[in-house]
Amino acid sequence: GENVEQHPSTLSVQEGDSAVIKCTYSDSASNYFPWYKQELGKGPQLIIDIRSNVGEKKDQRIAVTLNKTAKHFSLHITETQPEDSAVYFCAGGFKGGGNKLTFGTGTQLKVEL
Amino acid sequence: GAVVSQHPSRVICKSGTSVKIECRSLDFQATTMFWYRQFPKQSLMLMATSNEGSKATYEQGVEKDKFLINHASLTLSTLTVTSAHPEDSSFYICSARDASGGENEQFFGPGTRLTVL
Repeated sequence: GENVEQHPSTLSVQEGDSAVIKCTYSDSASNYFPWYKQELGKGPQLIIDIRSNVGEKKDQRIAVTLNKTAKHFSLHITETQPEDSAVYFCAGGFKGGGNKLTFGTGTQLKVEL
Repeated sequence: GAVVSQHPSRVICKSGTSVKIECRSLDFQATTMFWYRQFPKQSLMLMATSNEGSKATYEQGVEKDKFLINHASLTLSTLTVTSAHPEDSSFYICSARDASGGENEQFFGPGTRLTVL
């Protein structure tokens, strides 16, 4: 089955700096890669996703890049703000797998003032 | 749009009792819902896939007789933890796939914190 690895496990940045979180996946059949933000005690919130037919997607301060050859994808957050502090999870999945998602281990992002 | 609710948000029960958690898609139809369990400071682990009108598909190592799943309508799935024990204490989260939207998009509920005494 799919295996998704995520790095780093913790990330501390200064407000206004950029944050980058990286994930790798094992199953070349995976074609859908969402990113979720989870605040303490809450459910994950979808913040951006990318499908295997594109290499990059951007939504305001958030961008995701995908390298299918290397089987890795990354989340980029620019101009970080304190409210960006949360745990971020990457995930991978494909339609043939019953639409199941395999999650990475999570990254605790802390944006310091 | 794409709102998923869970009820209750928090439950405390005695060992040996059963607890039912509801997951509802509020503004869309969900032919497929997923149930996850998350222990503190860990990732989400898929427990089972719930399909409307058919039996749920459980992940390896998840006891189907202990975690009963019912998906009776396109907007409601329930997870019943039977004969709960302290080791079942966890954060249970459901997600729903919007059948009319992207092929894989899952929207998550706010989670249910289960504490078994």
